Amino acid sequence: GENVEQHPSTLSVQEGDSAVIKCTYSDSASNYFPWYKQELGKRPQLIIDIRSNVGEKKDQRIAVTLNKTAKHFSLHITETQPEDSAVYFCAASTMNRDDKIIFGKGTRLHILP
Amino acid sequence: DAGITQSPRHKVTETGTPVTLRCHQTENHRYMYWYRQDPGHGLRLIHYSYGVKDTDKGEVSDGYSVSRSKTEDFLLTLESATSSQTSVYFCAITSDPGELFFGEGSRLTVL
Repeated sequence: GENVEQHPSTLSVQEGDSAVIKCTYSDSASNYFPWYKQELGKRPQLIIDIRSNVGEKKDQRIAVTLNKTAKHFSLHITETQPEDSAVYFCAASTMNRDDKIIFGKGTRLHILP
Repeated sequence: DAGITQSPRHKVTETGTPVTLRCHQTENHRYMYWYRQDPGHGLRLIHYSYGVKDTDKGEVSDGYSVSRSKTEDFLLTLESATSSQTSVYFCAITSDPGELFFGEGSRLTVL
């Protein structure tokens, strides 16, 4: 079955700098890669996703890149702000009818003042 | 927010007792999932459902069972709770394989 590895587990960056979180997956049939943000005490919420027919997607300060050959994808946050402090999860799925959505272990991002 | 509620939100129980967590949705979504969240392990899939009476195991299904007799309800049962099942449990729903909408979570403590 699918296995998703996520690095680093903890990341601290200065406010205004960029943050990058990386994930690898094992199932070459996976074609949908979402990222979720979980603030302290809250539920996870989708912030961006990418499908395998594109290599990059941007939404304001957030971007995701995908390398299907290497089976890895990354989340990039530019001009980080205090409200970006949270735990971020990557996930992978084949989007088949009976599919599982498997998550990485998460990255705790600290934005330092 | 998607119409998804979990109950109970908090529960403390003793080892060996049965526990049932309920996930209820008002969105008529086909897919429902149960995850557990533990420090250092992220979100791990327990069981999921892709339709009424259609369920399958996830990554950590041992000690858990599920039932889905109607679209809106997905029940997670711990037949005999153990301390290792102390966790925060999240239900999630989606209409097609894609964006998951999570419930607020149920915190279970097994003493």
